[in-house]
Amino acid sequence: DADVTQTPRNRITKTGKRIMLECSQTKGHDRMYWYRQDPGLGLRLIYYSFDVKDINKGEISDGYSVSRQAQAKFSLSLESAIPNQTALYFCATSDLGGYTFGSGTRLTVV
Amino acid sequence: AQSVTQPDIHITVSEGASLELRCNYSYGATPYLFWYVQSPGQGLQLLLKYFSGDTLVQGIKGFEAEFKRSQSSFNLRKPSVHWSDAAEYFCAVGNDYKLSFGAGTTVTVRA
Repeated sequence: DADVTQTPRNRITKTGKRIMLECSQTKGHDRMYWYRQDPGLGLRLIYYSFDVKDINKGEISDGYSVSRQAQAKFSLSLESAIPNQTALYFCATSDLGGYTFGSGTRLTVV
Repeated sequence: AQSVTQPDIHITVSEGASLELRCNYSYGATPYLFWYVQSPGQGLQLLLKYFSGDTLVQGIKGFEAEFKRSQSSFNLRKPSVHWSDAAEYFCAVGNDYKLSFGAGTTVTVRA
């Protein structure tokens, strides 16, 4: 099994729908992250969490929320999806400077 | 604030030729520096990283990078590219707590 698992791998949803992207990890790391990737913009940080009770906004948190259900689980929600949230989303964990990324979730909002 | 600039959006190189990808960063202290590669439709793979010590870092797939503090740069090099090196490359800077990425450089390899 992968160290960082993201589900679903691909999702198409309609504008206005609520959607949750899930991430689980077996690394035992406290720190977890959600990034989105857009062509020409690289990866931008949405939210990050240093432990279950510590959640922080990244540079592009508007329109997103997160939940850290346990050390191993960190979910990203789009309460009301809009087309410009179409992107590739990555979850990551870190410990002592070592970052591990999931395989990504490709989200399309139509 | 930390930031990363990859000046080249797209580079085309012939197979067997050398490759250099540029990365400049802004950071308040000595950063952790990374290079990742993303093949089409794939996730991110770590090529190499620099935390401290020797400023010339060797990575996987024959890549190396050199940290130059005076130039705030961490350029990636490969002496002889293979067709399989066609991908998008991302430079990242950060620390234990946060990582910032450049916009990426797409590498095309021609036969």
